[in-house]
Amino acid sequence: DARVTQTPRHKVTEMGQEVTMRCQPILGHNTVFWYRQTMMQGLELLAYFRNRAPLDDSGMPKDRFSAEMPDATLATLKIQPSEPRDSAVYFCASGPGTVNTEAFFGQGTRLTVV
Amino acid sequence: AQSVTQLGSHVSVSEGALVLLRCNYSSSVPPYLFWYVQYPNQGLQLLLKYTSAATLVKGINGFEAEFKKSETSFHLTKPSAHMSDAAEYFCAVTSDSNYQLIWGAGTKLIIKP
Repeated sequence: DARVTQTPRHKVTEMGQEVTMRCQPILGHNTVFWYRQTMMQGLELLAYFRNRAPLDDSGMPKDRFSAEMPDATLATLKIQPSEPRDSAVYFCASGPGTVNTEAFFGQGTRLTVV
Repeated sequence: AQSVTQLGSHVSVSEGALVLLRCNYSSSVPPYLFWYVQYPNQGLQLLLKYTSAATLVKGINGFEAEFKKSETSFHLTKPSAHMSDAAEYFCAVTSDSNYQLIWGAGTKLIIKP
């Protein structure tokens, strides 16, 4: 059963620390999305990759956030330094790269910055 | 630019009653439309999608949605609500000119016993 895998599922960290979230997209999918979900803002697109190249990261605060795909099986989202306002659930989703097919979501990483 | 509006951040229905969750979209090109469901502490899961074939689309768990171009709507319905349907539902749109999913704000469905 193919699925998007995100690690860790939960992360509690102190303000100022670096946080790295990882995502393994479904094998064969060439499109990867990073989303952030909060009660106040809902679902926000942070970054979007196709064939490992970033196509859109305009939703990401550039001073502290970075997203990469070191290879086709791994996407990472880093926050350095983390702040309490970064507390949210971060979702990774992958897709096969055709516009009329859905994105498949991981279970999310719940980040709490204290 | 594309956009999605979901009317009602919370919808409450009695168990066994009709479920109707509203979604209106804005798109200058033919859209592809999706409904996703999110159960507590889980990721989003596809319920159904419209990709320019049949206008009435059937999905999982007894849900269906009808694409109405004249009304720019893609409302989600289910004839009889179950307690297990309590979740948050998201409508989203893409098009040939924009692969990124544009999301609605979500509607929390509450089922009363």
